[in-house]
Order: sequence, then C-alpha cells, then structure tokens
Amino acid sequence: EADIYQTPRYLVIGTGKKITLECSQTMGHDKMYWYQQDPGMELHLIHYSYGVNSTEKGDLSSESTVSRIRTEHFPLTLESARPSHTSQYLCASSDPRTGWSSGANVLTFGAGSRLTVL
Amino acid sequence: DQQVKQNSPSLSVQEGRISILNCDYTNSMFDYFLWYKKYPAEGPTFLISISSIKDKNEDGRFTVFLNKSAKHLSLHIVPSQPGDSAVYFCASGRVTGNQFYFGTGTSLTVIP
Repeated sequence: EADIYQTPRYLVIGTGKKITLECSQTMGHDKMYWYQQDPGMELHLIHYSYGVNSTEKGDLSSESTVSRIRTEHFPLTLESARPSHTSQYLCASSDPRTGWSSGANVLTFGAGSRLTVL
Repeated sequence: DQQVKQNSPSLSVQEGRISILNCDYTNSMFDYFLWYKKYPAEGPTFLISISSIKDKNEDGRFTVFLNKSAKHLSLHIVPSQPGDSAVYFCASGRVTGNQFYFGTGTSLTVIP
C-alpha cells in the first residue's frame, strides 16, 4: 500500500498552460524530493526539501518551482508548460531519523506523474 | 556527467537461474548504495542496500556485492522468478549528502 500519493498520474496539456503536480505523504517524513525521468534515462533530482518552508534545487536545472507549507505536502508547479517539460515526475520522501545501518532512510517513491505537453 | 552507470539496458534469464545486474559509479566518496525495483506504472521500490564498510549484504534471494576498488556493485538474484521481471535501478550517494544518484536502469525479464 502506497504511503506517498501523486496526482495526476497522467496529464496531457497544451503549451503555455500552468500545471501543478501534487504529492502527499502520510509517513510524517521530513525530507521530500522531486525527480525527473525521461525514458531510458536516469532519475535526476530537480528539487528537495528538508522540512516545512525549506526548498532547494537539485542538480538538474528545472523551470518548475516547489513549495513546502505542510510536512505532508510537496507540490510542483510549472507556470508555463512547454514540450521540453514532457517527462515523468517522481516524488519521494525519506526519514533521516531512522538511520542508515538497516537500510532505512531510503527513499519511498510515489507512482509518478507522466506529463505530456503538446 | 553520469555518476552511476548501468551499462546493460536489458537482461533475460531463465526461471530458477541466477540474475546478475551490474552497476558502476565514479565518485569514490560515495559510501551508501541501493537497489530499487520498478514495475510499469509504479514508482521505484527499495530492494536492498549496502554501506561502504561492507562488501556483501544478503536478504533472502537478493545479494548485493560491493567492490570499492573497482567502484562496482552487483545485484544477484537466486533463484530468479517470473515476478522478478522489472526494471532495476542502482543508486549511490553519501550518507552526509543531499541526494542519491541513479543509474539508467536494467530491465530484467525472467522467462518461465
């Protein structure tokens, strides 16, 4: 059973539209992430957050923005979508408090949002 | 530049045989390594991990081996089952870092 939820799962929109991809987790995790993945490519980190009111950009430059007003919610917004934004967007969370030795602090992923911009 | 590489996009194995998936990384500072499994239309799920202080970690049918000098890790699945058919991602990073770096994935098909 998924503890991290992403909506919409699939979205096809026209160029210039504003879109928001929703991500919510019920685990109380402080850290949350957005990864972008193109087919056959690696996952690239585009945004992350350590907690409420904390947002940072990842290695891959992205025109999207994020916000973290509540612990459980980490939405991603594109103000004006373009065909180059067509990709799969994966949200994830982790709990740094659980430590590393047992394999914890691993990322828990949502099912992803596949965006197509025409 | 890719910090984690999975050079085999796909692998087919007979049911009951061993599956070996390989991964190379470039950053010698990486000290934690993970494997994720992904089914179509689902997000990746954690499978097994290993820290740099070990060279082997086993969990049931899954074993991860780490060769730090070669900057190489591998995932062994024995015996392979049809339900193991999925895309497997290798990920590496630093315990003190902000992120894990992912490979491009290897699509495993286990033939009944």
